[in-house]
Order: sequence, then structure tokens, then C-alpha cells
Amino acid sequence: NAGVTQTPKFRILKIGQSMTLQCTQDMNHNYMYWYRQDPGMGLKLIYYSVGAGITDKGEVPNGYNVSRSTTEDFPLRLELAAPSQTSVYFCASSYPLGQGGPGNTIYFGEGSWLTVV
Amino acid sequence: QKEVEQNSGPLSVPEGAIASLNCTYSDRGSQSFFWYRQYSGKSPELIMFIYSNGDKEDGRFTAQLNKASQYVSLLIRDSQPSDSATYLCAVVLNDMRFGAGTRLTVKP
Repeated sequence: NAGVTQTPKFRILKIGQSMTLQCTQDMNHNYMYWYRQDPGMGLKLIYYSVGAGITDKGEVPNGYNVSRSTTEDFPLRLELAAPSQTSVYFCASSYPLGQGGPGNTIYFGEGSWLTVV
Repeated sequence: QKEVEQNSGPLSVPEGAIASLNCTYSDRGSQSFFWYRQYSGKSPELIMFIYSNGDKEDGRFTAQLNKASQYVSLLIRDSQPSDSATYLCAVVLNDMRFGAGTRLTVKP
């Protein structure tokens, strides 16, 4: 009954370092997402994927990269970390949204708290 | 114009009152609409969704959708202190976009 699992939960990075946030889901969802949430703000879509081998940019993709080699995994890579990337990162997954089923919703992981100093 | 707009609040209501949360969206092609609740330090959890004009009720929660006005709302009846959280409106077109959230405080 794992759902969406993210690691690590907390991480402190130095400016210029790189790291990968891991995300895996066991619900056989085709769609996966990465969001970031700054303090007191809503969620901003970074990247999403509609299936293995397919990724697309969201609202705030700069400074990040993703890959989707399997249905289950959707890692997010931060290159050359900057203080502006200090945020909470949420991975999520879903069945196809919108025309794929109006009630289909996304399921979130527990979040990864990242601080860049 | 932001894709999804919500009053940031904070909204404060006494216990037992009705809390009314509002959301507008910019894209007329948006297909379905969701309300999430997020407690501090936690991930969002789904409260309910709506995709047809009108009202949809689920327990103490009622979602209202008016596509002509591009407006969706959430009413919480008999508000409880445990309802104190940030409420996020989300809109689906090809992906899911969120509003900034409205912080609700229910005072005992």
C-alpha cells in the first residue's frame, strides 16, 4: 500500500551542488509529475510525464531535468543548485487526466524538503 | 492573468459556521476541478472533484461549478477546528494546475 514514495525527505545542498530526488509509484499510473511549493504558496508544476520515455515541461522547468525510463520511476535532477530552489518538492502520479476520466485525480508523495545554502 | 486564482486569506470562521472558499480559472477548456486540503508540513489530500455545472455534495462539503463564469467554490458546513488548513483549488486541462491556496482557520 505504498502509493507514491519520494526520497530523501530532507536534504541540505550547497550552492552549485547537484542531486537527484527519487520518486517511485506502485499504482501502475501512466502519468507522473513533479511540483514545487514555496512557503505560503501553491504548487507549481516543474515537469510531467505521460508515459515511459515521454516528458514535458511544466510552469517552472528551469534548473531541473527529468527522465522516465520505467512506468514506476520519475527522478528529478537539480543541476547547479541555487538558493531559489529551496522549496518543498512533491512527486505525484495519476491515471490520464481530463478526457481520460473527469474524476481522475493525482496522488501525492509525502514531499521532499530541500534547502540550498 | 494567473491560470487559477484564489483569495489567499486568511479566512477565519467560528466553529459551526459555513466557510466559503472561491476559485476562478482562466482557460475555458478546463475539464475538471478539484479541491485539496493541505495541513502544514503535509502533502495535499483530495476532498472532492466536480466537472459538471451545478452543485456536488459530499458530507459537510459542497462544491459548486459555474463554467460560464469560470468559477468554482467549496462550502464547508458546520466547520470544525480540524478543518483548519490551506485549501487548494486545482484545474485540469492537459495537466493539473493549482491556485495559491486559501488558509482557513476555524476558531472554537
